[in-house]
Amino acid sequence: QAVVTQEPSLTVSPGGTVTLTCGSSTGPVTSGHFPYWFQQKPGQAPRTLIYDTNNKHPWTPARFSGSLLGGKGVLTLSAARPEDEAEYYCLLSYNNIVLFGGGTKLTVL
Amino acid sequence: EVQLVESGGGSVQPGGSLRLSCVVSGFDFGRENMNWVRQAPGKGLEWLSYIDKSSSNIFYANSVKGRFTISRDNSRNSVYLQMDNLRDEDTAVYFCAIGEGSSWFYSWGQGTLVTVSS
Repeated sequence: QAVVTQEPSLTVSPGGTVTLTCGSSTGPVTSGHFPYWFQQKPGQAPRTLIYDTNNKHPWTPARFSGSLLGGKGVLTLSAARPEDEAEYYCLLSYNNIVLFGGGTKLTVL
Repeated sequence: EVQLVESGGGSVQPGGSLRLSCVVSGFDFGRENMNWVRQAPGKGLEWLSYIDKSSSNIFYANSVKGRFTISRDNSRNSVYLQMDNLRDEDTAVYFCAIGEGSSWFYSWGQGTLVTVSS
């Protein structure tokens, strides 16, 4: 079974830019994996930020964007705010199953 | 406003069964797919199962295939997860999520806790 990889932790300064990546053990991540990005804060349910690589939901702040780069899915956070401190999960689709990455703990400091 | 409310969680012994429910309001339930996802204490998210709007397509994660069964009742705006032969490692908060258009995970419930322990 495939494994989806993410950085365990990252730190960004307030106002700064950070990129989170999502890799696949099977090879390059493509649009055919329909990458998703979720944000989860302690004690809360996940919230979907990005679907199908770069599509946003109405509640997704404009400072978040999704893309593909270097064979990985990428979530870019620009002009980070303290409230962006959270765990971020990516998800990839493999035919009839989907797999989450292990999550990236993002600290805004 | 869409709302998803899970129920049915609780404590059960290994080998036991539970049936989780998820009721959806404020949304056209019958037009959208549904997913179940879980999160063990202090761990990451794990996708479990998917069911499309007409129950024609159903998928499971390898970890629960043969033990868990997803179903839905569009007349009750509800999706269910029948969990049999439960193991210690099934202890987790279980979330349901509804899709919208091409997004499989548009909105999430707050989760229900399942504890498997002797």
